[in-house]
Amino acid sequence: AQSVTQPDIHITVSEGASLELRCNYSYGATPYLFWYVQSPGQGLQLLLKYFSGDTLVQGIKGFEAEFKRSQSSFNLRKPSVHWSDAAEYFCAVGYNNDMRFGAGTRLTVKP
Amino acid sequence: DGGITQSPKYLFRKEGQNVTLSCEQNLNHDAMYWYRQDPGQGLRLIYYSQIVNDFQKGDIAEGYSVSREKKESFPLTVTSAQKNPTAFYLCASSSYRDRSTDTQYFGPGTRLTVL
Repeated sequence: AQSVTQPDIHITVSEGASLELRCNYSYGATPYLFWYVQSPGQGLQLLLKYFSGDTLVQGIKGFEAEFKRSQSSFNLRKPSVHWSDAAEYFCAVGYNNDMRFGAGTRLTVKP
Repeated sequence: DGGITQSPKYLFRKEGQNVTLSCEQNLNHDAMYWYRQDPGQGLRLIYYSQIVNDFQKGDIAEGYSVSREKKESFPLTVTSAQKNPTAFYLCASSSYRDRSTDTQYFGPGTRLTVL
């Protein structure tokens, strides 16, 4: 069955530390891949997306993501986390005129 | 400012009542969507509309209804048939009609609580 999985429900990192949020998908072909961020009580905002080409994608707010076909993954990274990055992060997968969102990973940033 | 507005921000409903959530966009987008968000479950699609006067059921349409009489407006009615309506509801829009590739722009959401 087609699915998108974010294995980590909650991650805590210290401010200034690096961050990696995981996203795996299960589709017959390579889908379109997105990362969105949701600040508390707000809607979602697109961070970045991957359709084709260079497998390392740069987004807003200093985030990047790497597509790895062999691992069916599209992990989100940031070299140095800021307190304002505390939010919930959703991986989304687009395929065949459909869009599916992962369950989300909540990021807490420690001072 | 262009964007999506949702109202009200908080809504309380008694059991057995229908309530309507408002969603308006001034982005001139063709497509609009309603999602329900519950903790640990991500976003689940309720209804979507890719053009005025047309809409399609999503994964969890039971107990909900929508209309799309104007391009900029896509109200959602939560009916008394919805067994567990307490949730955070998000409206979104996108430029085109390919749900696979369109960036979706989200409103700030409405939190509905059934008392």
